[in-house]
Amino acid sequence: DAGITQSPRHKVTETGTPVTLRCHQTENHRYMYWYRQDPGHGLRLIHYSYGVKDTDKGEVSDGYSVSRSKTEDFLLTLESATSSQTSVYFCAISDDRDPAYYEQYFGPGTRLTVT
Amino acid sequence: EDQVTQSPEALRLQEGESSSLNCSYTVSGLRGLFWYRQDPGKGPEFLFTLYSAGEEKEKERLKATLTKKESFLHITAPKPEDSATYLCAVQGGTDKLIFGTGTRLQVFP
Repeated sequence: DAGITQSPRHKVTETGTPVTLRCHQTENHRYMYWYRQDPGHGLRLIHYSYGVKDTDKGEVSDGYSVSRSKTEDFLLTLESATSSQTSVYFCAISDDRDPAYYEQYFGPGTRLTVT
Repeated sequence: EDQVTQSPEALRLQEGESSSLNCSYTVSGLRGLFWYRQDPGKGPEFLFTLYSAGEEKEKERLKATLTKKESFLHITAPKPEDSATYLCAVQGGTDKLIFGTGTRLQVFP
């Protein structure tokens, strides 16, 4: 998985509780991404980062926030989890040598269930 | 609006029965088209990037081709271990990847 780990791998939480998912990379790549994957939908971008403390919104960012204080770590926070946020969450990274043409490499995923 | 449509949704093949998966796209200013393989319970695994119409890339039993409107992933003499979901994504002017919903391939011995 290209030196990408995600934690936790599985989590069950209750509606209204805060949840933080962590993505850690050992590749020293500049770009990091959070996606969610749901049946009937392609992978959808939640937020992404193009450097330490530099982040931007993706397609489905409502209800999520992110932080990146170090190159290797990218955190995704659900401030108050809802059942609609039950999903599988993937982190991805990409090289910054030529951002015009980049492949993204994915982590193993976190399965989150909100009850 | 950038869009990716993959077909068929599911495909069942006998071992050795060659076939093709389709990825149709609409994007303003294609910068790259990407194929990924995803096994159950795992993250997508990068396979190929195609940049311009007419380009082809091969890896083992897989060959990806690209036209101005679609890409094909040809699978020659598939084996059961090729069973997976194959995802297509495009990168356009926004720099973000837009993914299709995938084709679930099952290869039976």
